[in-house]
Amino acid sequence: GQQLNQSPQSMFIQEGEDVSMNCTSSSIFNTWLWYKQDPGEGPVLLIALYKAGELTSNGRLTAQFGITRKDSFLNISASIPSDVGIYFCAGRLNAGNNRKLIWGLGTSLAVNP
Amino acid sequence: SQTIHQWPATLVQPVGSPLSLECTVEGTSNPNLYWYRQAAGRGLQLLFYSVGIGQISSEVPQNLSASRPQDRQFILSSKKLLLSDSGFYLCACSGQGRAYGYTFGSGTRLTVV
Repeated sequence: GQQLNQSPQSMFIQEGEDVSMNCTSSSIFNTWLWYKQDPGEGPVLLIALYKAGELTSNGRLTAQFGITRKDSFLNISASIPSDVGIYFCAGRLNAGNNRKLIWGLGTSLAVNP
Repeated sequence: SQTIHQWPATLVQPVGSPLSLECTVEGTSNPNLYWYRQAAGRGLQLLFYSVGIGQISSEVPQNLSASRPQDRQFILSSKKLLLSDSGFYLCACSGQGRAYGYTFGSGTRLTVV
């Protein structure tokens, strides 16, 4: 099936560093979502973006919906050990009742205390 | 807000045995429901989705089936498990309106031996 291009695939950083990851697509999306998954758990929604250019923050997390509607990034500032996990981007292509999401393959984040 | 109950958390089954995983949703009515499989902690693969009772769409050919006997109940089944059915299975729902983000259950770790 269709997937988003998410990068980087993995990151290993020091506590306190800032983190940036992004997703790109060849298709235009009308919704971008960012999720975090802790080991052995289901993904949890971090930030939802609904219009081009939108910049939204959730604590130390900031995400933007690219103006071309084909990309999005997620930044984490001043990382802490509990930021460890896998971060997924997801996008929705069509309007109407189709609520299926297209997913990136994830960015695995490790934080060294 | 939506809550998903998914069980069991872990399951070890022999090859050739049947499977039944259940997922129930609280806090919303007429949700869209999804079954995902995740291999090796990465990449969410959509298996089935349902927009209503008795309505099931299959995304990939496989050894599994899904059913939705009630509005907020989604069941993943197999008559005979294969080794390749091992993985982390996640149930998710999306509600009505603009809330396109999915809520995920806590997942079932299935090991077929």
